[in-house]
Amino acid sequence: SAVISQKPSRDICQRGTSLTIQCQVDSQVTMMFWYRQQPGQSLTLIATANQGSEATYESGFVIDKFPISRPNLTFSTLTVSNMSPEDSSIYLCSVESGSSYNEQFFGPGTRLTVL
Amino acid sequence: AQSVTQPDIHITVSEGASLELRCNYSYGATPYLFWYVQSPGQGLQLLLKYFSGDTLVQGIKGFEAEFKRSQSSFNLRKPSVHWSDAAEYFCAVQRSNDYKLSFGAGTTVTVRA
Repeated sequence: SAVISQKPSRDICQRGTSLTIQCQVDSQVTMMFWYRQQPGQSLTLIATANQGSEATYESGFVIDKFPISRPNLTFSTLTVSNMSPEDSSIYLCSVESGSSYNEQFFGPGTRLTVL
Repeated sequence: AQSVTQPDIHITVSEGASLELRCNYSYGATPYLFWYVQSPGQGLQLLLKYFSGDTLVQGIKGFEAEFKRSQSSFNLRKPSVHWSDAAEYFCAVQRSNDYKLSFGAGTTVTVRA
């Protein structure tokens, strides 16, 4: 399985600011995903990021609020823009396994608190 | 669209006792099914998966799950739990032609001594 790291692991931010979260994988992957896990909730897919193309956002998520970059096959960033306390969540990136079975492996997550 | 229901929000089990976590899915065709575990402060770890074939699937850490098409269920079991099994468990479903995962609400497992 792929080894995935995220930076930062946690942060406390002020309302109205932005935070960029990095996701690094130890092998080349085609598809990377960003999820949000609000306090006490399950995971919700924010967007799918493929290298060389625009990210595909799920219903309820927009590029202006969550811009994503995917400059190469091992790295992606998610920015949470103009933050409010409602953005306090764990943000996780995941990658597809590359096997024929569409498994996903997850990073450790970034715990964001917005004051 | 596919969806997943985990009816139990929280389960408390004694160490050494058996554990069963319920998962029901809604999907028109045969889905791909997964169980993930999230320990406190950790990311998600894949426990096991079902795509086709034998309906009883073995996973890591002594877990197994059984796919029952007639009941649209994919329940997770462990014969004897250890204190380290205290965590949150998520069932997830994926369409066979898509990478997108839909997660259940999760079940929190507490293990008492």
